[in-house]
Amino acid sequence: GAVVSQHPSWVICKSGTSVKIECRSLDFQATTMFWYRQFPKQSLMLMATSNEGSKATYEQGVEKDKFLINHASLTLSTLTVTSAHPEDSSFYICSVAGTGGQYFGPGTRLTVT
Amino acid sequence: DAKTTQPPSMDCAEGRAANLPCNHSTISGNEYVYWYRQIHSQGPQYIIHGLKNNETNEMASLIITEDRKSSTLILPHATLRDTAVYYCIAVNYNTGNQFYFGTGTSLTVIP
Repeated sequence: GAVVSQHPSWVICKSGTSVKIECRSLDFQATTMFWYRQFPKQSLMLMATSNEGSKATYEQGVEKDKFLINHASLTLSTLTVTSAHPEDSSFYICSVAGTGGQYFGPGTRLTVT
Repeated sequence: DAKTTQPPSMDCAEGRAANLPCNHSTISGNEYVYWYRQIHSQGPQYIIHGLKNNETNEMASLIITEDRKSSTLILPHATLRDTAVYYCIAVNYNTGNQFYFGTGTSLTVIP
């Protein structure tokens, strides 16, 4: 399966600032990547599907202007949380669509103070 | 995509088989059944998947009923490191390969 990394692994930011999270596919050319959010003691919620070279497709209820996704290459997708607020504090996880399923990154813990 | 339902929690004695059920009664013929697990504060880890036939790999076995309305993940000899939340997901590759996670089963392996 694909090896997926995320950076940073955790980040603390002040309310109103923007934070960028990187998702890298280290050994696989990822045409499609996914972004998920997970609140404490809850399941993963799909936020958006990111296709290389095109605009991301967002799930219903996810604000595309707040969660900016860029998938400019086959190995990198970025999620930018703009004007972050404390309610955006969560665990953000990306995945790569590969043969036989999705391969997940280790996640990024975002805390907005 | 078909909705899946799983018991919220289960316990299993170390060294015994853990049998985790999943109901997917509305699954379509095009939907695969995938199993992942998530250890606290980590990304989900792939376990196994299948369409109609039973499957086995080095981690687990997947038993799918003939009508495909339910499946069981079997961890043959559970260890303490198998303590995790296990997710059963129905995936339709014809409509895109999005994963919509349910609530999963929190498995605790007891020494």
